[in-house]
Amino acid sequence: GAGVSQTPSNKVTEKGKYVELRCDPISGHTALYWYRQSLGQGPEFLIYFQGTGAADDSGLPNDRFFAVRPEGSVSTLKIQRTERGDSAVYLCASSVQGAGETQYFGPGTRLLVL
Amino acid sequence: AQSVTQPDIHITVSEGASLELRCNYSYGATPYLFWYVQSPGQGLQLLLKYFSGDTLVQGIKGFEAEFKRSQSSFNLRKPSVHWSDAAEYFCAVGASFGNEKLTFGTGTRLTIIP
Repeated sequence: GAGVSQTPSNKVTEKGKYVELRCDPISGHTALYWYRQSLGQGPEFLIYFQGTGAADDSGLPNDRFFAVRPEGSVSTLKIQRTERGDSAVYLCASSVQGAGETQYFGPGTRLLVL
Repeated sequence: AQSVTQPDIHITVSEGASLELRCNYSYGATPYLFWYVQSPGQGLQLLLKYFSGDTLVQGIKGFEAEFKRSQSSFNLRKPSVHWSDAAEYFCAVGASFGNEKLTFGTGTRLTIIP
């Protein structure tokens, strides 16, 4: 079956602009996660959805970052007033419900803020 | 808070040689432990995971890992590496209850020489 997909694969924007990154999880997966991976680092947790609600948003770095999942499937990560430090690969993962379940990752969106 | 340490940033091994990648974790209870592999331009792929039970876990592509509670370690091993194993390897820890986020190490880059 289809895996996790993310669009766009690459995004170049200018400092101060607004961007949206999209994630399509595996069908039937109720849990969805966003991570950010900076160069030379491991993925860092941003936010976790269980269904439509954000169960844990403790990893969002500041209020410029926001994510939604209105129908419990597709999720959008929104970044306002982008900064050069936001440049990274943004990874999405999904899993069936439950702690410890395998998280299946998408290919990521590479964001470059000029 | 949970954390993961991968002490080796880069490892080089000859094709056909054995491999061991180190991972140490910090978590107050029995954790969920994962090894993921990331090839250039690819998403993270799960190699294996430990939840409970047998401390020696078998994964895909001939990899195995051993959970050692006394050493807080979950080292990844392969008896004979192939050129296609060249990639970045990430160890991750998840909570056995409560939040479901994964905490990743900084990764170990594996280079294979003929």
